[in-house]
Amino acid sequence: KNEVEQSPQNLTAQEGEFITINCSYSVGISALHWLQQHPGGGIVSLFMLSSGKKKHGRLIATINIQEKHSSLHITASHPRDSAVYICAVLSNYQLIWGAGTKLIIKP
Amino acid sequence: KAGVTQTPRYLIKTRGQQVTLSCSPISGHRSVSWYQQTPGQGLQFLFEYFSETQRNKGNFPGRFSGRQFSNSRSEMNVSTLELGDSALYLCASSFGTSETQYFGPGTRLLVL
Repeated sequence: KNEVEQSPQNLTAQEGEFITINCSYSVGISALHWLQQHPGGGIVSLFMLSSGKKKHGRLIATINIQEKHSSLHITASHPRDSAVYICAVLSNYQLIWGAGTKLIIKP
Repeated sequence: KAGVTQTPRYLIKTRGQQVTLSCSPISGHRSVSWYQQTPGQGLQFLFEYFSETQRNKGNFPGRFSGRQFSNSRSEMNVSTLELGDSALYLCASSFGTSETQYFGPGTRLLVL
């Protein structure tokens, strides 16, 4: 069993929909990262969380340390949000990556 | 402030050769991590350096090695290249180990 599990693996939605991507982990962590990778390969760090909730524009990330679960939400989704979203946890100085969620937003 | 830079951006090698990739972190960042990305395996952690010391290493064979210099610049070396080493190699820097990582554009390596 992978130490970091993301769901869903693939997600296709219509423009404007509210998007939720989930990440569950089984190890002790000191932080959790959400990253975005566009088709060209560039990776952008969206959030680093160790507790609570963070918001940036239309993106919201939450983490529940007790339940070992994090969610990334996108409000009013737009085709430019189409990308792979990756959850990675920092455990014992090592970043452990989820497999990613491929998100496609259709106009 | 300049971002993470990686050189070269593209590289073609043949089996058996060796290759060295370079990463210059954001000014002030002391942690540099290396990742390999392939379509089949996704993004995999290679190793992390902090203040010239390797902090952690992923599950890669000894052909993959790295080092970090006193100015925080890092190099990654792959010896005896195999076809399966063809991948995008990404470098990321951060102030410290538990800080947000900032990624470079990557070096795309093709082994023929």
